[in-house]
Amino acid sequence: ETGVTQTPRHLVMGMTNKKSLKCEQHLGHNAMYWYKQSAKKPLELMFVYNFKEQTENNSVPSRFSPECPNSSHLFLHLHTLQPEDSALYLCASSQDMRGANEKLFFGSGTQLSVL
Amino acid sequence: DQQVKQNSPSLSVQEGRISILNCDYTNSMFDYFLWYKKYPAEGPTFLISISSIKDKNEDGRFTVFLNKSAKHLSLHIVPSQPGDSAVYFCAASEKGRDDKIIFGKGTRLHILP
Repeated sequence: ETGVTQTPRHLVMGMTNKKSLKCEQHLGHNAMYWYKQSAKKPLELMFVYNFKEQTENNSVPSRFSPECPNSSHLFLHLHTLQPEDSALYLCASSQDMRGANEKLFFGSGTQLSVL
Repeated sequence: DQQVKQNSPSLSVQEGRISILNCDYTNSMFDYFLWYKKYPAEGPTFLISISSIKDKNEDGRFTVFLNKSAKHLSLHIVPSQPGDSAVYFCAASEKGRDDKIIFGKGTRLHILP
């Protein structure tokens, strides 16, 4: 148990569906992240929030919409996805981005399949 | 263009022997390097890190070596144990950009009985 919980663990959706991924961290961290892991590719940073403010949007298509209502919760809203968006979506948190060399704590991920 | 490269997708090592996982990077601004370990159906977990001011960091069976001139780092596991079978990700961050950790593709390590 890393203190970062993601739901659901698995999600199958059609291209016209709207769904949301949820992440909650119980570590008192101030920074939260969404990463995407596709087969045979490196983990790709999607979004970063620090103290609820988005600090990074790594050229992610608008069909992915993040929301960070507070430092403990992070959502990723999905709308009209494509089959190539099928991947493992990982949430992570770290204590504080202002500190040097922060370690990331990851959740178990949501395995997403887009049909 | 990949800034962090793990050129071996997989590696098999006999139990009790040394496992050496390699990682190369291209960005000379990277000043902090990390290794993460990932089991199936779990998220990556932090294993060990090294700052660019050092060339070696040791933690129990795990040692990370950094060769800045070659832009190369390696993770040594000795002795290798069955529970070490996992995917290992090399990662790096740039000075002042702690919010952007760049990962490699990972190397799957199999420890053979």
